[in-house]
Amino acid sequence: GAVVSQHPSWVICKSGTSVKIECRSLDFQATTMFWYRQFPKQSLMLMATSNEGSKATYEQGVEKDKFLINHASLTLSTLTVTSAHPEDSSFYICSARGSGTGYTFGSGTRLTVV
Amino acid sequence: AQRVTQPEKLLSVFKGAPVELKCNYSYSGSPELFWYVQYSRQRLQLLLRHISRESIKGFTADLNKGETSFHLKKPFAQEEDSAMYYCALGGQGAQKLVFGQGTRLTINP
Repeated sequence: GAVVSQHPSWVICKSGTSVKIECRSLDFQATTMFWYRQFPKQSLMLMATSNEGSKATYEQGVEKDKFLINHASLTLSTLTVTSAHPEDSSFYICSARGSGTGYTFGSGTRLTVV
Repeated sequence: AQRVTQPEKLLSVFKGAPVELKCNYSYSGSPELFWYVQYSRQRLQLLLRHISRESIKGFTADLNKGETSFHLKKPFAQEEDSAMYYCALGGQGAQKLVFGQGTRLTINP
């Protein structure tokens, strides 16, 4: 079945630094990738949708300059949290979809900004 | 706009009792509905999708376009069913997947 690998599974960074999270589709070509954010005991909130080779489409209220998304190939998308602050601490989850596949989720990345 | 509503944040039933988790949606296009489950400290897992019309772990869900609902049902709850359940709405092609707020199901022994 379709598998998505997300890395790292957790990261701690200092306030003001940037953090990159990778999302890879291992056995299919992901034409579309989605990035979600999940706060404790809350649902997944869609941040942005990215199609390979195109600029990401951000949801209302999500700062595109803070959350940089790159989807340069059919198997890799990255989310970079720039100038991270404690309020950016959260659980970030990616999802990928290809031709004929459903939505496959990564295992998530827990980001803690200190 | 895509919207999913799960009216119950918490649901608690006894083992062996029937379970129904409600989900209503709003979407102008042709919807794809899913149920996902998240067990404690585990990743999100696909439980059901309306297209497949299958039963997983005893759970079923029927898409009712007239009522714009996709309720999740199980006739006899088991303790291992305790988890967070999310209803999600997508669309054809590369449409985004939007989640409801989730229902935390607790099965009491």
